[in-house]
Amino acid sequence: SQKIEQNSEALNIQEGKTATLTCNYTNYSPAYLQWYRQDPGRGPVFLLLIRENEKEKRKERLKVTFDTTLKQSLFHITASQPADSATYLCALETNTGFQKLVFGTGTRLLVSP
Amino acid sequence: EPEVTQTPSHQVTQMGQEVILRCVPISNHLYFYWYRQILGQKVEFLVSFYNNEISEKSEIFDDQFSVERPDGSNFTLKIRSTKLEDSAMYFCASRVTSGGNEQYFGPGTRLTVT
Repeated sequence: SQKIEQNSEALNIQEGKTATLTCNYTNYSPAYLQWYRQDPGRGPVFLLLIRENEKEKRKERLKVTFDTTLKQSLFHITASQPADSATYLCALETNTGFQKLVFGTGTRLLVSP
Repeated sequence: EPEVTQTPSHQVTQMGQEVILRCVPISNHLYFYWYRQILGQKVEFLVSFYNNEISEKSEIFDDQFSVERPDGSNFTLKIRSTKLEDSAMYFCASRVTSGGNEQYFGPGTRLTVT
């Protein structure tokens, strides 16, 4: 069966450290993988997109890697801040149809001062 | 910056009643989506809409659900006869092209069915 797995347990880190979140998938062939941030009671907000032929993408303090052999993406936030505390969602997009997003369950990140 | 808006922010309804959730996508976007998120669970795709017709729907999107773009700006989701299990956050999203770019999500409508 198809699965997108993210750590269900919250990730607690100290301010200034690098947070690394994992997204593993099975039985998908995504053309794109996206990361979104979701705050409680709010809609997802787009952060980064990486294509299947890309290994790494960066934007400011954010970095995403994509390994289609391991079927895994890692999402890094460097120099983390308390304002980075949120749930981070991994979403896959295939090349079929009108390319809906298929989301993982998300990982809650807590950055303490 | 342009944004997707949704109304109402919270809707309480009784089981069996009809509800209409409204969305105004970003004006130059062509692809529209509804997702839902049951409390504590993942965001799930319901339906995609392009060129005034449904392009894809999930197994959740049964005959009780319908979507419409009545006037070229609003995008609505109707649930004909609500069930307790329809209680969830409903998010509208839009994007410029069909894929390989971000989807812009609205703030959501919290639907509570009693």
